Amino acid sequence: NAGVTQTPKFRVLKTGQSMTLLCAQDMNHEYMYWYRQDPGMGLRLIHYSVGEGTTAKGEVPDGYNVSRLKKQNFLLGLESAAPSQTSVYFCASRPSGSTDTQYFGPGTRLTVL
Amino acid sequence: EDKVVQSPLSLVVHEGDTVTLNCSYEVTNFRSLLWYKQEKKAPTFLFMLTSSGIEKKSGRLSSILDKKELSSILNITATQTGDSAIYLCAVETPPGTYKYIFGTGTRLKVLA
Repeated sequence: NAGVTQTPKFRVLKTGQSMTLLCAQDMNHEYMYWYRQDPGMGLRLIHYSVGEGTTAKGEVPDGYNVSRLKKQNFLLGLESAAPSQTSVYFCASRPSGSTDTQYFGPGTRLTVL
Repeated sequence: EDKVVQSPLSLVVHEGDTVTLNCSYEVTNFRSLLWYKQEKKAPTFLFMLTSSGIEKKSGRLSSILDKKELSSILNITATQTGDSAIYLCAVETPPGTYKYIFGTGTRLKVLA
């Protein structure tokens, strides 16, 4: 059981470049999330998904797109990266029961120059 | 606007000390509050609290929720250097959505 994995672990982009972050989970969880974490800001929800084929906006969705074509994968896309998107990105998943919690991936450190 | 506020922002203690971390929330409808520990990488789950006054305990860590005061505390007794981490509080809102608002975290450093 690998849990939640994220690819890549680190990435440096130039302003205007695009990239996709991949999150994969092998726990058959319904819910998946993308957060960003900046110094002094805690975790902020970017987008989330309540099931395969569905996505919804979180607190800070601008500049990002997501897709959940398969239940186990949740992709986060940056179409035109900006320095303000320099951050650590965490993916999480959880099952649908009310007493369960989220399980986090190891994070992706993204720097946009 | 829903929000979660943690205090203090940072704390430095010596091994053996007891610490109390605070989390207060303002949300339209409350269902659960969660505590996480974050060391170098991903947050790891500590406690989920849904009912007022019921203490959750795990080793030297304990937590309790006060719905009247809209707050929770996380206690760590006999601190060790391995307790050094960021402690995050999150509240599920709206209830049943499994969406969470996180506080900014409390950075705890335990000195040997």
